[in-house]
Amino acid sequence: AQKVTQAQTEISVVEKEDVTLDCVYETRDTTYYLFWYKQPPSGELVFLIRRNSFDEQNEISGRYSWNFQKSTSSFNFTITASQVVDSAVYFCALSVPGYSSASKIIFGSGTRLSIRP
Amino acid sequence: NAGVMQNPRHLVRRRGQEARLRCSPMKGHSHVYWYRQLPEEGLKFMVYLQKENIIDESGMPKERFSAEFPKEGPSILRIQQVVRGDSAAYFCASQQYFGPGTRLTVL
Repeated sequence: AQKVTQAQTEISVVEKEDVTLDCVYETRDTTYYLFWYKQPPSGELVFLIRRNSFDEQNEISGRYSWNFQKSTSSFNFTITASQVVDSAVYFCALSVPGYSSASKIIFGSGTRLSIRP
Repeated sequence: NAGVMQNPRHLVRRRGQEARLRCSPMKGHSHVYWYRQLPEEGLKFMVYLQKENIIDESGMPKERFSAEFPKEGPSILRIQQVVRGDSAAYFCASQQYFGPGTRLTVL
């Protein structure tokens, strides 16, 4: 069975601080995908990144960076120099390829990030 | 949302009525996933459909909920005899890209 755990329910930091959102996943499959999504107060789900299990390179996109460590089954997300607009709920998620290479996504419970001005 | 369309965006129903939610996947995609997000919770998989076929409905409640994806037209998620506990945001997805969601409120 697959599972995603986001132990941090809520995080609050002051603007310009760096913040790391933790994600730990469980799967017995060797091929899988990991995701991060942002859900701002407006409610839509914004896709941020997808990483496959064979690519452990860290990734940086502007102020966002992701650290994938298979050894600890973690896929953590760091926001550098946070801004008020980063306030949202962030979801980590996992999928395992299945029928026709498409498969359902399993979500963590989310971390609510509040950035104070 | 990369071209995944859902309507309506908001839907209000009274207990006992039917709710119909529609989803059109990204152009060229012939499959959709439906997810439900209860208030203050994460998203939970409901059903995966390809055109004219239900592939995986392991997350669908056994009663009152049904889904279809006809050869022509959008995918439909139907909830019969809605109850207050059905109030949630319902999202559909083409692979990892999600539509804007339908917020269902049951009075």
